[in-house]
Amino acid sequence: NAGVTQTPKFRVLKTGQSMTLLCAQDMNHEYMYWYRQDPGMGLRLIHYSVGEGTTAKGEVPDGYNVSRLKKQNFLLGLESAAPSQTSVYFCASKGWSNQPQHFGDGTRLSIL
Amino acid sequence: AQTVTQSQPEMSVQEAETVTLSCTYDTSESNYYLFWYKQPPSRQMILVIRQEAYKQQNATENRFSVNFQKAAKSFSLKISDSQLGDTAMYFCAFSPGNTPLVFGKGTRLSVIA
Repeated sequence: NAGVTQTPKFRVLKTGQSMTLLCAQDMNHEYMYWYRQDPGMGLRLIHYSVGEGTTAKGEVPDGYNVSRLKKQNFLLGLESAAPSQTSVYFCASKGWSNQPQHFGDGTRLSIL
Repeated sequence: AQTVTQSQPEMSVQEAETVTLSCTYDTSESNYYLFWYKQPPSRQMILVIRQEAYKQQNATENRFSVNFQKAAKSFSLKISDSQLGDTAMYFCAFSPGNTPLVFGKGTRLSVIA
């Protein structure tokens, strides 16, 4: 019973490099979300998806892209990493509108 | 804009005592859902309790209960018989209608032996 799995758990990048964070859920959930967590800021929504093939911008989308080609996967991409993107990234999913979100364990990303 | 305010950045409580964490929110929606999440040092986000705005009765989950005041847009969390394992960051969040969760900035709770 994996729930929401994020890959990788840790990563260090150099400024300008690109990478993709993978989120996979095995609960057949329609909704998926990417957040970033910074000290004193709580969780801020980057992008989200309300179903396979759909994506939408959240509060802080600049510098990130996402794709939801398969229902169970939600990918977050950084095309040209910047130090300001150093953060802990959380993926979450939920099945229906009145259900709580289930979170992955987070990815700690450091950009030097 | 939908906002959530947690006015207590840090709190501490003695083991076995009761503590209340405050949360207020702002929305023009009439139907929404409210949540408290706990984030221990392990960094996991764990659902503590949830409340549906149309329900008058306050939600309870074992030692955790809420005081939901819809007119005042207030949603506080009460932890009874505090335990060392309750030490964590606590986030209040709400979801107006079918939109994504909006989170507060969190309250860091320390339970002292």
